[in-house]
Parts: sequence; C-alpha cells; structure tokens
Amino acid sequence: GDSVTQMEGPVTLSEEAFLTINCTYTATGYPSLFWYVQYPGEGLQLLLKATKADDKGSNKGFEATYRKETTSFHLEKGSVQVSDSAVYFCALSDQAAGNKLTFGGGTRVLVKP
Amino acid sequence: GAGVSQSPRYKVAKRGQDVALRCDPISGHVSLFWYQQALGQGPEFLTYFQNEAQLDKSGLPSDRFFAERPEGSVSTLKIQRTQQEDSAVYLCASIQFSGANEQFFGPGTRLTVL
Repeated sequence: GDSVTQMEGPVTLSEEAFLTINCTYTATGYPSLFWYVQYPGEGLQLLLKATKADDKGSNKGFEATYRKETTSFHLEKGSVQVSDSAVYFCALSDQAAGNKLTFGGGTRVLVKP
Repeated sequence: GAGVSQSPRYKVAKRGQDVALRCDPISGHVSLFWYQQALGQGPEFLTYFQNEAQLDKSGLPSDRFFAERPEGSVSTLKIQRTQQEDSAVYLCASIQFSGANEQFFGPGTRLTVL
C-alpha cells in the first residue's frame, strides 16, 4: 500500500536559518503530494501541493518539488521565522483510491529567536 | 459555515461508554473523510463518503466504529464500548467535488477514554 516517510523531529533552528524536511513516498499509482502544517492549538492547514512529476509547490516562502525519480517531496525554506514553529506533515493522495490522504508521522519544528 | 466544524471539541468517556462525534463539512462539499490522529503521530484514514454513500471504510479499526452521513451533509462517527486505545484526535475533512484533491480539515475532536 501507499506510505510516506518523513524525518523525525524535533528540529530546532535559529531565526533566519535554512530549513529542510525530508519526505519520501511509496505509491502504486500517480499520487498528488502535499505538505500540511499544524500550528500550536490549530487544525491542519494545507501549506502547498504538487500534482505531477517536476511540479513545484510554493507558499509562504516554503517550496517543495515533486521528484518522481527519487520518490521525494522535500520541504525547504530559506529563512525561517519564529512563527514557522509548528508540526509539518507530508502526505499523498491517489485519485484511484478516492483521494484519501496517507500521512507521514510529522516533524515538529521549533524556531528560536 | 466558512469552514469544517466538529463537535464536541473535547470528549472524556469512561471505558465501555458509547460516543458520537459530529462533523459539519463546508456547505456543498461532496466528499467527507474521517481520520484518527494518535498523540505524536500523523493522521490515519478511517473512512470516506461521497454524498451519502460510504465508499471506503477500510480504515475503521474494528466493528465498534461506525460512521454515517444520511443526507449527504453532516456526518457522525460513533464508537461503541470505547477502549483506552481509542483515545486520539478525530479529524474530519471535506473536498468540494470527487475529483478535487485539496481537503479542508476541521479542528478535530479530542477523545480521552479513561
């Protein structure tokens, strides 16, 4: 079945540091890939997505590129802020499976001033 | 409403009690999903509906879990004879139409079974 593996946290960074969170996936079909973010005390929010190979999703300074050859969708941000402290989830959906989401385990990011 | 809402936000149940969790999707959204998120884990799929039809319930952990969406709008997830391992946050999400892939999540219901 489909699965998503992402690096375990917590990841602790100083403000303005570079952030990367690795994510790899296994899927039988042609999935869409997502990064969701969960800020403290809030629900899951879509951060960015990519629906086909070589697509780049971007939002709020975050980027991730759909790499079919390495089955990866790594999240990056060049200069983090304290407000980026959250838990980040990589996920995939397969239209053939009704678009249900398969999530990774989440990576907690803490940005210190 | 503007987003997906869930109630109650918090539920404490004694082991063996039945609970019912409600989800109000975004108005007009065709598909509705339920996920279970254990502490420190990613959400895991439970079941999904397209309108009133339950098309996939492969993620329900046992026959104590039951979900319905009788009029294709509000959905209820029922857990009978709750066990401690049922303690988790239950998330509901909806999508606008069956071919769309952006799911909008509610705030979740945190269930604690004592």
